[in-house]
Amino acid sequence: QLQLQESGPGLVKPSETLSLTCTVSGGSIGSSSDYWGWIRQPPGKGLEWIGNIYSSGSTYYNSSLKSRITISVDTSKNQFSLKLSSVTAADTAFYYCARLRRSGSYTFDYWGQGTLVTVSS
Amino acid sequence: QTVVTQEPSFSVSPGGTVTLTCGLSSGSVSTSYYPSWYRQTPGQAPRTLIYSTNTRSSGVPDRFSGSILGNKAALTITGAQADDESDYYCVLYMGSGFVVFGGGTKLTVL
Repeated sequence: QLQLQESGPGLVKPSETLSLTCTVSGGSIGSSSDYWGWIRQPPGKGLEWIGNIYSSGSTYYNSSLKSRITISVDTSKNQFSLKLSSVTAADTAFYYCARLRRSGSYTFDYWGQGTLVTVSS
Repeated sequence: QTVVTQEPSFSVSPGGTVTLTCGLSSGSVSTSYYPSWYRQTPGQAPRTLIYSTNTRSSGVPDRFSGSILGNKAALTITGAQADDESDYYCVLYMGSGFVVFGGGTKLTVL
C-alpha cells in the first residue's frame, strides 16, 4: 500500500520560503511512471493544484504560482519537495502531496494526510 | 488561464438523485481530459470517487457514476444518503503533466 507523508515547518514568516517534503513509502518514485504532485487548500476554500514532478525531474507548474515554486525529487530518499518563495498570508493553507497516476487514468489516487502551513510573523 | 467550473452548492433530498457538473470556461469537456471526481469531508484529504470519466475507484458504491453530459463532465449520485454530504471536486488533465481543479461543489442532503 502506497503511503505519502508531508513534513516541514508549520509556521513561516512573510517574505520567506516555505519548504515541504513528501516521503513516499510502499513504492518507488524512481521506478514509477507516474507524476508526483503538490496541491494546497486555504482553510475553508477549494483545492488548488501547485505542480507535478516526474521521476526524471521534469516539472509542471501552475502558471499562477510558477514564478515562486520549485519542485524537486530525490529518488535515493524516495522523496519529493516543494519550495514556495516570497510567501504571504494568502499562502496559508493545507498542503497535500499526492501521486498522479498515469496508466490512462490521470487521477490523484494516493494522498498524504496534509499539513497546515501558516504564514505569519 | 483555464478555469474549470462547478456549481458552488447543490442540495438533494435523502433518496434523491443529483447530478453535479464540471465544465470549462472555454470549450467542452471530453473524455480526453480524463475527468476525475473527488470527495472531501472536513479535516480529511480528498478521496477519488471516479476517474477516466466513468470508472469508479475501488470501494466506491455504484450509486456514484460519471459521464459526459453535453459539453461537461458529470457526477451523478442516486439514492442520496446523509453521509454523502461533502465537498466534491472535479479535476481535468490538460496534458503533459498539467491538471486543473474545479472550484468544488458543496453538497447538502436535506
